[in-house]
Amino acid sequence: DAGITQSPRYKITETGRQVTLMCHQTWSHSYMFWYRQDLGHGLRLIYYSAAADITDKGEVPDGYVVSRSKTENFPLTLESATRSQTSVYFCATGGQGAYEQYFGPGTRLTVT
Amino acid sequence: AQSVTQPDIHITVSEGASLELRCNYSYGATPYLFWYVQSPGQGLQLLLKYFSGDTLVQGIKGFEAEFKRSQSSFNLRKPSVHWSDAAEYFCAVGGGDYKLSFGAGTTVTVRA
Repeated sequence: DAGITQSPRYKITETGRQVTLMCHQTWSHSYMFWYRQDLGHGLRLIYYSAAADITDKGEVPDGYVVSRSKTENFPLTLESATRSQTSVYFCATGGQGAYEQYFGPGTRLTVT
Repeated sequence: AQSVTQPDIHITVSEGASLELRCNYSYGATPYLFWYVQSPGQGLQLLLKYFSGDTLVQGIKGFEAEFKRSQSSFNLRKPSVHWSDAAEYFCAVGGGDYKLSFGAGTTVTVRA
């Protein structure tokens, strides 16, 4: 049972390209979250989803798009990547009451 | 809006010595509080959580934390650290909407 997986684990892309980061869970948790981790900032919430077809903005949503057509998947798309989006991206699912969150291994994205 | 401050960016401790990591939060109501640990190149793992009740909570790996409402603090402690405790530690606070706010993290180095 993999729990929560992210792909790719590493990605290098160029400025202006569209890139999609994938997140898949096998627990059937209702809530899913996308965070970015940058030195000195800890983790900042980008978007979250309470259920399939229900998404909402977090603290830093600009430049990102999400969708959730199925409970188990929560892709994050950078429509036109910028260097400031170079970061490590973590997906998480919400366990008990969604406060107890479980994190994937992360995707390290570099935008050149 | 909720927020978390971790005053110590980096702490070095000798193996076998005690460890205390500080966390101060800002939230208008009773908070939900968490400590996560991140080993190099890994995702975040939940160490412990406080929702209500006993203000001293026990977690995994021998960690404990104490909620002090009067000081708006939730400090993490371990009586005797092991080399495997070298990692980055994040404190997080949650409110009524399942969104977590993380501190910037404290890196712990364990010396032999």
